[in-house]
Amino acid sequence: DIQMTQSPSSLSASVGDTVTITCQASQDISNFLNWYQQKPGKAPQVVIYGASKLGSGAPSRFSGSGSGTHFTFTISSLQPEDIATYYCQQYDDLPPLTFGGGTKLEIK
Amino acid sequence: QVQLVQSGGGVVQPGGSLSLSCAASGFTFSSYGVNWVRQAPGRGLEWVAFIRHDGSKTYYADSVTGRFTISRDNPKSMLYLQMSGLRVEDTAVYYCAKDRDYGGNFDYWGQGTLVTVSS
Repeated sequence: DIQMTQSPSSLSASVGDTVTITCQASQDISNFLNWYQQKPGKAPQVVIYGASKLGSGAPSRFSGSGSGTHFTFTISSLQPEDIATYYCQQYDDLPPLTFGGGTKLEIK
Repeated sequence: QVQLVQSGGGVVQPGGSLSLSCAASGFTFSSYGVNWVRQAPGRGLEWVAFIRHDGSKTYYADSVTGRFTISRDNPKSMLYLQMSGLRVEDTAVYYCAKDRDYGGNFDYWGQGTLVTVSS
């Protein structure tokens, strides 16, 4: 199974800050990686797919990069509505599909 | 627009059975793989099962293999999850999720339905 190690597990930042979350895969997954945003009580929504493509409806301040085993998700100019938990997920190998442990993003 | 509307769920005793449904609309259901993903209270996301667009192939997480069955009815645009031998640790919100293209590349999710396994 491919393990996805996501860091940090929690993050506090100020409005306007640039925020970066990383995800490390235990083996090469090319660019088969998604990032999801989940707000409390809601279903996850894809914000980045294929490692770097912006999901439908996701703001342009969101971006993703990386390939192989190391990936990053960045929010430039953090906004209050970005407060959520973010998950990475690999889809190179099925079964099983695997998710990172999540990053809870809070406003400082 | 794409919609995945879930039903089913509820409270069941350990060892019991329960069925979940996911009604799809806004896209050609028979052309896409679909999945179930769950989230235990206060925990992260866990993939549960996948079924190919034509139903010819299914995959399961080790934690549910032999107890859960994923199925689909393409003419009705319906996805199902039949759960038996339920355990306390199966307590979670269950989501259906549609593939964008490759298996597991999710683009749309259902609203989620809570399954509680408790005596």
